[in-house]
Amino acid sequence: EPEVTQTPSHQVTQMGQEVILRCVPISNHLYFYWYRQILGQKVEFLVSFYNNEISEKSEIFDDQFSVERPDGSNFTLKIRSTKLEDSAMYFCASSEEVLYGYTFGSGTRLTVV
Amino acid sequence: AQRVTQPEKLLSVFKGAPVELKCNYSYSGSPELFWYVQYSRQRLQLLLRHISRESIKGFTADLNKGETSFHLKKPFAQEEDSAMYYCAPRTNTGFQKLVFGTGTRLLVSP
Repeated sequence: EPEVTQTPSHQVTQMGQEVILRCVPISNHLYFYWYRQILGQKVEFLVSFYNNEISEKSEIFDDQFSVERPDGSNFTLKIRSTKLEDSAMYFCASSEEVLYGYTFGSGTRLTVV
Repeated sequence: AQRVTQPEKLLSVFKGAPVELKCNYSYSGSPELFWYVQYSRQRLQLLLRHISRESIKGFTADLNKGETSFHLKKPFAQEEDSAMYYCAPRTNTGFQKLVFGTGTRLLVSP
């Protein structure tokens, strides 16, 4: 069964540093998403991406965040100048059609120290 | 405001007992609803969607528009059902993204 792949599985970074979280969506999927889950809290929507542009973003997704699909296979989330409160599990997801369910990756645990 | 509520943080049952995980939503129009499951240290997995009216791993969920509920049910719980369960309506505005509830941890004891 096709999977969404996320790397790394765990990233530790110092406050103020930039991090890039990587995702390889399922190859024939057209819609891409990032969600995050702070420990003990609910899964929160960050951003959706379609046709090489952001289609929707949440209030969390401020200027500190950016997404990119640099080469037609990877989908990245960049966090500039990380803060302690950015520590969370970040999930990438993709779907074939906007009305279908999503396939999620296994997540990247980001720890900002 | 559009909202999804899962009132129970933890539901603890014995093996073989019936299970009902509650989900209530407040969305205008005709929302589409999903249940996702997250087993320990694994990814979120789609369990079922109300449109397909299917039964996965013995779980079913019926959309009750009158009560605005989409409760997840299973007649006989198994130990391997222990996991986090998330109700996730799809918004019917904007890009129609999934919005997750706070989740319910189901613990099935032997």
